[in-house]
Amino acid sequence: DTGVSQNPRHKITKRGQNVTFRCDPISEHNRLYWYRQTLGQGPEFLTYFQNEAQLEKSRLLSDRFSAERPKGSFSTLEIQRTEQGDSAMYLCASSLFRTVQETQYFGPGTRLLVL
Amino acid sequence: AQSVTQPDIHITVSEGASLELRCNYSYGATPYLFWYVQSPGQGLQLLLKYFSGDTLVQGIKGFEAEFKRSQSSFNLRKPSVHWSDAAEYFCAVGGLGGTASKLTFGTGTRLQVTL
Repeated sequence: DTGVSQNPRHKITKRGQNVTFRCDPISEHNRLYWYRQTLGQGPEFLTYFQNEAQLEKSRLLSDRFSAERPKGSFSTLEIQRTEQGDSAMYLCASSLFRTVQETQYFGPGTRLLVL
Repeated sequence: AQSVTQPDIHITVSEGASLELRCNYSYGATPYLFWYVQSPGQGLQLLLKYFSGDTLVQGIKGFEAEFKRSQSSFNLRKPSVHWSDAAEYFCAVGGLGGTASKLTFGTGTRLQVTL
């Protein structure tokens, strides 16, 4: 069990550029979550997948954000035309959903700074 | 809607002293409750979780938490704090839709440990 991994760990970009983050979940986990954490706040839910199906998206996820999990394994989160307000830590978590008692395990996060 | 309140933004304790971090939740049905810890620049590590049954749950690193339905609380405790416990602690609630998905986090409590 190697844990959840995220790449890159840090990303600095200029306003208006597109960025893409990758998350590799724990291998047997069928659910994958994305959260955003701004300074001094707790993580906020963005979206989640069960296998390759995206089951829910938060209202926080504007049209500039898109997430995919094409083969039910790794996931990508893309932000188009970045804005300074997108600066945050983007956290990925995975879980094995068999019953309602699922537990999410988090990766180290990708810290995004938009200049 | 579900929500979590962590009333203490910052707590300082001496090494060896006992610790209690407060968490109050708002949720109409049976909540699923979690405590996570986050070191600076890192992801979240699960300390403990409550789904049902015994209201006193044991976690890793000597932490425990008690679910009190009448007070809508899930406070985290440790009898003797170590300097390595200095970090940010997040309480989270799930349960909307009957599953633990889509966690809602509090704003966190930053723990400082003095030697």
